[in-house]
Amino acid sequence: AQSVTQLDSQVPVFEEAPVELRCNYSSSVSVYLFWYVQYPNQGLQLLLKYLSGSTLVKSINGFEAEFNKSQTSFHLRKPSVHISDTAEYFCAVSEGNTGKLIFGQGTTLQVKP
Amino acid sequence: GAVVSQHPSRVICKSGTSVKIECRSLDFQATTMFWYRQFPKQSLMLMATSNEGSKATYEQGVEKDKFLINHASLTLSTLTVTSAHPEDSSFYICSARDLGGQNTEAFFGQGTRLTVV
Repeated sequence: AQSVTQLDSQVPVFEEAPVELRCNYSSSVSVYLFWYVQYPNQGLQLLLKYLSGSTLVKSINGFEAEFNKSQTSFHLRKPSVHISDTAEYFCAVSEGNTGKLIFGQGTTLQVKP
Repeated sequence: GAVVSQHPSRVICKSGTSVKIECRSLDFQATTMFWYRQFPKQSLMLMATSNEGSKATYEQGVEKDKFLINHASLTLSTLTVTSAHPEDSSFYICSARDLGGQNTEAFFGQGTRLTVV
């Protein structure tokens, strides 16, 4: 069975500092990996995804994540965060081409001025 | 990206009544939609997979008679919470997969905040 672990429930960071949100997964088969962002009382927005090819994937707003198969990780990073990045971030895994997602527990990113 | 519309965004109902939540794919067709539940400060838990024209597939521990799912067309799935109780209060989110998409991305609705009083 698949599972996703986000090691940090809350990550406080000052504005313009770098940040890393950790995500580890377990699966016996090939997976697709996703990061979603959720603002209060809203649905989820896709931040970035890894399906195949280059292990480093990037979003349009400066986030990036690297798929590491040997460490079964898909950590999310941003070199300089903004106040507006404050939100809940979810790592998710999909087993193959199903669209069905298993989510991690979520990490609250709190960017302080 | 594709748009999934979920309605209503908020609903308050009395204990014992039923509530219907709609999930529509606005600009694409979706043979499969997914329903998730999210408790405060917690992650999303998959409740069921909704398949157009057939019965939904429920995850372990989810009562299919309490959470009725209907997927009558390629653009609409509904979740009905029957005989709602306060413990059913939660944030319900649907997602739909683009049938014509080249990848596995599922697009999410805005969510429905259900409060049972």
